[in-house]
Amino acid sequence: DVKVTQSSRYLVKRTGEKVFLECVQDMDHENMFWYRQDPGLGLRLIYFSYDVKMKEKGDIPEGYSVSREKKERFSLILESASTNQTSMYLCASPPGLAGKADTQYFGPGTRLTVL
Amino acid sequence: AQTVTQSQPEMSVQEAETVTLSCTYDTSESDYYLFWYKQPPSRQMILVIRQEAYKQQNATENRFSVNFQKAAKSFSLKISDSQLGDAAMYFCAYRTRQGTSGSRLTFGEGTQLTVNP
Repeated sequence: DVKVTQSSRYLVKRTGEKVFLECVQDMDHENMFWYRQDPGLGLRLIYFSYDVKMKEKGDIPEGYSVSREKKERFSLILESASTNQTSMYLCASPPGLAGKADTQYFGPGTRLTVL
Repeated sequence: AQTVTQSQPEMSVQEAETVTLSCTYDTSESDYYLFWYKQPPSRQMILVIRQEAYKQQNATENRFSVNFQKAAKSFSLKISDSQLGDAAMYFCAYRTRQGTSGSRLTFGEGTQLTVNP
């Protein structure tokens, strides 16, 4: 009954590497989100997409970009990874239209360590 | 912009007892949603309970209930008859009803709940 999957649970990368985090949902949802989770800061929105090839910046987009070529897949890209991007990354996808109290389905998270 | 604040980084409770987690938020909107999410060690985010701002009645889900005080912008979660499986990080979240970004969530800092046997 898996609805949102992320390509890796754990990832270790070197400073300066280009990193791709993949998220796939099988629910035919328009909206997809990338959050970053850090202790004491909760979850913060990096980017979101409300349609294929459409994207909008969230609260902390610096150092990140995204790609959404197909409806079911939303990729987060770290063009040149830095140690301050070591974090937990969560992908989410809500059903329905904006304004409805539908739950968001979350992926299991990717714990990224940048050395 | 909306903000959500959870002032209790950690809480603990004895098994079978009751615990209340606090959450306050700031918004200029009158219509919105509030949520409590649970994140156990598996890291999977689980929706615990939701509240629609236009409903005055407090939401309940089995052992979980909220105290929604709209004027005070307060949204606390009460867990009754606490169980070991309730141990987790709990996040309070806000969601607007407006605009194309209306499905995004704004989260609080989280409260780590420990349940002692």
